[in-house]
Amino acid sequence: DVKVTQSSRYLVKRTGEKVFLECVQDMDHENMFWYRQDPGLGLRLIYFSYDVKMKEKGDIPEGYSVSREKKERFSLILESASTNQTSMYLCASSSDAGTGFTDTQYFGPGTRLTVL
Amino acid sequence: DAKTTQPNSMESNEEEPVHLPCNHSTISGTDYIHWYRQLPSQGPEYVIHGLTSNVNNRMASLAIAEDRKSSTLILHRATLRDAAVYYCILRDGRGAQKLVFGQGTRLTINP
Repeated sequence: DVKVTQSSRYLVKRTGEKVFLECVQDMDHENMFWYRQDPGLGLRLIYFSYDVKMKEKGDIPEGYSVSREKKERFSLILESASTNQTSMYLCASSSDAGTGFTDTQYFGPGTRLTVL
Repeated sequence: DAKTTQPNSMESNEEEPVHLPCNHSTISGTDYIHWYRQLPSQGPEYVIHGLTSNVNNRMASLAIAEDRKSSTLILHRATLRDAAVYYCILRDGRGAQKLVFGQGTRLTINP
């Protein structure tokens, strides 16, 4: 079974802190994604990566950056956390094998981040 | 991205079939219909997908209207573990990677 793990289930940080959210997948997937989920707004894509050292902005990249130094690991960075970044953060991965448009995304359990 | 419309919530009883509708009247010829679900306190998980023909897998069935403007996810025999938010998502078959989640349907299963 595909496994996507996230470094923490719950995280509490203070405004202005630098925050790292880590995601690791064990299926050698090419694509990795970071979403945030907020009540009433659903899931929104922050950034994604289709290869090592490659990244693409999603719908709401402001205030975030990402890093993909190794294929299995995709990090989301909040350079200076703010209270409006309090949210559930979900990482996902998918493979390019076969037909890319039918690829399944596998999600991690999520990290609930609270910024005080 | 083409939009989907789903009821906000639905309720059913355990061991009965559940039909979850999705309207996608602006679907294009290259859009695949995907369904994901999110169990409480978990990330979303893939359920099923299809293009034109009805599809079956171990989790569910997907019935797609002939004009493709709507589809229905069918859980043949709901269990309490099927209580979740179900998302109907259109994915462009021309290589787009992201999933665009709407609000989904919150399914409640009564014992």
